[in-house]
Parts: sequence; C-alpha cells; structure tokens
Amino acid sequence: AQKVTQAQTEISVVEKEDVTLDCVYETRDTTYYLFWYKQPPSGELVFLIRRNSFDEQNEISGRYSWNFQKSTSSFNFTITASQVVDSAVYFCALSEAIYNQGGKLIFGQGTELSVKP
Amino acid sequence: DSGVTQTPKHLITATGQRVTLRCSPRSGDLSVYWYQQSLDQGLQFLIQYYNGEERAKGNILERFSAQQFPDLHSELNLSSLELGDSALYFCASSVDLLRTDTTGELFFGEGSRLTVL
Repeated sequence: AQKVTQAQTEISVVEKEDVTLDCVYETRDTTYYLFWYKQPPSGELVFLIRRNSFDEQNEISGRYSWNFQKSTSSFNFTITASQVVDSAVYFCALSEAIYNQGGKLIFGQGTELSVKP
Repeated sequence: DSGVTQTPKHLITATGQRVTLRCSPRSGDLSVYWYQQSLDQGLQFLIQYYNGEERAKGNILERFSAQQFPDLHSELNLSSLELGDSALYFCASSVDLLRTDTTGELFFGEGSRLTVL
C-alpha cells in the first residue's frame, strides 16, 4: 500500500531561519511521482514541485530546495531564509504510476509551518 | 487562480440532508478528482473521472456519488449527511498525465466548505 508520512505536525521558526520539512513515503511501485503542495491560510492548494522516481537530482527554486533520496524513501523540502509569507501547511504527496490510473495523489498529514517576524 | 471553479464555496445543512457540489475543471483538462479534507482524516482522495468515465476510486462512502458530464464538469453528491461529513471538499483537474510536456500537477479549486449541523 502507498503511504506518505510527515512526522512533523507543526514547526515554528523565526524569520530568516532555514527550515526543513521531512517527508517519507512507502510504495511498491518502481515508477511513481512525488509532489509538494502548499496550503496557505486562505485554504487553496498550491503546487510547488513534482519529481518522478527516476530523477534523484536535487532541485532548487529560489529559496526552495528539495532533496529526493530513494535509498531512504525520503523527499525533504527546505526553505532557506524563511519569511512570514511562508507560513502555511505543507503537504507531501505520492502518485502511483500514471500510465494506467492517472494522477491520484496520496497525501501526507501535512506540516504546519509558522514563521514569526 | 487555478482555473478550477467550485460552487458553492460554503454550505450549511442539517443531518440527513443531501447536497450537490459542483466543479468546473480548467479548460482542456479531462481529469477531475475529488478530495475531502477534514481535521481528523486529512486530505483523502475520493474519486477520479477521466473524460466522463470513472478512473479511480478512493475512500468514498456509499452515501456519496459523483459523475462527470459531457462538458467535463463534475458533481459530487453527498446524501444522508452526518456530522462527520463536515469538511472541505476539493475538486482538482489535470490534463492527460501521459503527456510529457506537463508538470503533472493537479490544479485545485478553492474548495467547498460543508458544515453539517
């Protein structure tokens, strides 16, 4: 069965600190996709990144970076120099192979990040 | 703005009643997904439709049903409502995920917040 675990329920940091959100996943598929979504207080879900299981390259986008390690089944998300606007709930998600079933996402429980000024 | 439209945004009803939530996907997207977000269950996948056909099913109760119409909009019907059905219901859409020129993301609507009293 597929499962995503975000062990950190809540994290609180002070502005400009770096913060890493952990994500561990379980799947028997050899082809799968990993996602991060952000849910700000306004409630909508905002896509941040998708990674496929064959691409373990780390990715950086501005202050955001992602570390994908198949050996530990982890897909961690780091925000560098956090800002108050980063305060949100962050979800990690897993999708099974898309070729036959489309992009059904299994979400983790989410990590609520609070960045204080 | 994700391009996915959900109505109504808020709905308050009583136990035992039936409601219909509506979703209009992004123009050109063939897949529609329904998710339920509650405090105790988190983000749960309910059901997916692709071009009018049911593609995948998740933790959807028998009291719930959905369909996707020829114009690709979708409706989620919730009947015999219980207090525990109070939640935020998200609709998401995506292009055909077999295409390699997409990010593979699901575009989420702003959600319909259902309160059952």
